[in-house]
Amino acid sequence: NAGVTQTPKFQVLKTGQSMTLQCAQDMNHEYMSWYRQDPGMGLRLIHYSVGAGITDQGEVPNGYNVSRSTTEDFPLRLLSAAPSQTSVYFCASSPYRAVTDTQYFGPGTRLTVL
Amino acid sequence: AQSVTQLDSQVPVFEEAPVELRCNYSSSVSVYLFWYVQYPNQGLQLLLKYLSGSTLVKGINGFEAEFNKSQTSFHLRKPSVHISDTAEYFCAVSVTSNDYKLSFGAGTTVTVRA
Repeated sequence: NAGVTQTPKFQVLKTGQSMTLQCAQDMNHEYMSWYRQDPGMGLRLIHYSVGAGITDQGEVPNGYNVSRSTTEDFPLRLLSAAPSQTSVYFCASSPYRAVTDTQYFGPGTRLTVL
Repeated sequence: AQSVTQLDSQVPVFEEAPVELRCNYSSSVSVYLFWYVQYPNQGLQLLLKYLSGSTLVKGINGFEAEFNKSQTSFHLRKPSVHISDTAEYFCAVSVTSNDYKLSFGAGTTVTVRA
């Protein structure tokens, strides 16, 4: 099993550009989520999904869109990048209930918005 | 809403010495508690979790944590650290009535020196 994979590992964008961060898992997990990690702030939940076709907002959803067309994939879209979105982004998955099941994290995408 | 405070942002420690990382939470309802570790340039992985039962929880790599409901704390300990324990450690909490949302603390960076 590859676990949770994320692409790209690094990305530099200019303000106003759009892009999609890819996340895939091969463990048949129902629950997937996106976090952003900023210094001194820990991880903050952006969006999450409890299964294909079902998504919901987390703590900091503004400026991001998600969709879940398959169990395996959960892409995160930045609609119009802003410098405030410079961060490290982590995707995670768990079998069902994120709050009791172990979450498995991808290696992260380091995004810089100029 | 629940919140997590990690009381130390950085903890330097010598190899083979004990270490304690402090975590306090606030919540008016029952909680689940977690410690995750992030090694340099990697994603997070679960160290241990408290869901119910014994208040002393043992995790991987010799770590343990004690849930203290009266003091709303979940401190992480290891009796003897190794160089390889150098990492960032995150405490996380979720209320038992919410299946999907974890709140993370800001993190504690542990640096182990020879």
